[in-house]
Amino acid sequence: GAGVSQSPSNKVTEKGKDVELRCDPISGHTALYWYRQSLGQGLEFLIYFQGNSAPDKSGLPSDRFSAERTGGSVSTLTIQRTQQEDSAVYLCASSPSGGRARRGYTFGSGTRLTVV
Amino acid sequence: GENVEQHPSTLSVQEGDSAVIKCTYSDSASNYFPWYKQELGKGPQLIIDIRSNVGEKKDQRIAVTLNKTAKHFSLHITETQPEDSAVYFCAASTAAGNKLTFGGGTRVLVKP
Repeated sequence: GAGVSQSPSNKVTEKGKDVELRCDPISGHTALYWYRQSLGQGLEFLIYFQGNSAPDKSGLPSDRFSAERTGGSVSTLTIQRTQQEDSAVYLCASSPSGGRARRGYTFGSGTRLTVV
Repeated sequence: GENVEQHPSTLSVQEGDSAVIKCTYSDSASNYFPWYKQELGKGPQLIIDIRSNVGEKKDQRIAVTLNKTAKHFSLHITETQPEDSAVYFCAASTAAGNKLTFGGGTRVLVKP
């Protein structure tokens, strides 16, 4: 597709349940990023995949959060045993090769997660 | 790690006036500084970026300036229009495709 696609666009889940959020990056983009945006707040870095390198997981807030990127394309962010403080918009972005990218990130529209 | 501070957090301007948003960064190795615009219910969209080898860049009504010595950069919007109302984020990284550190955002309201 032409842009970064995220699904679902909205997700309501009960506290304690696991959720999976999906990101389809722009074809050919080797770098993929997950950010979290709480209501009215800035963008909090979660995790960064670059090609076949080990991901930078330094932003994951707890061990309940994990992410995978299969075949260098689609990525899934998994949150286990969700808590109310996990409620936020989860944004995915992709970019061409790090260091040689001309235009930086392209963001998806995000998944709005509500934990009730 | 990098830390980016952004001011003001909210900005209200009259249509036709100028808007200025300022950011400071901490890591002297940062050399790529993009600005994003986020409209309600959408993901952030890149509107302009600047690299450390230039001090100013302009694109129609939008301009960005960079002072590497002082480690600050600014976004200038001239002749503001109601459609400029949005949240604007500055960011910094060591290269265009590397991890970005974002400022806290500025909510801009352009009053008709």
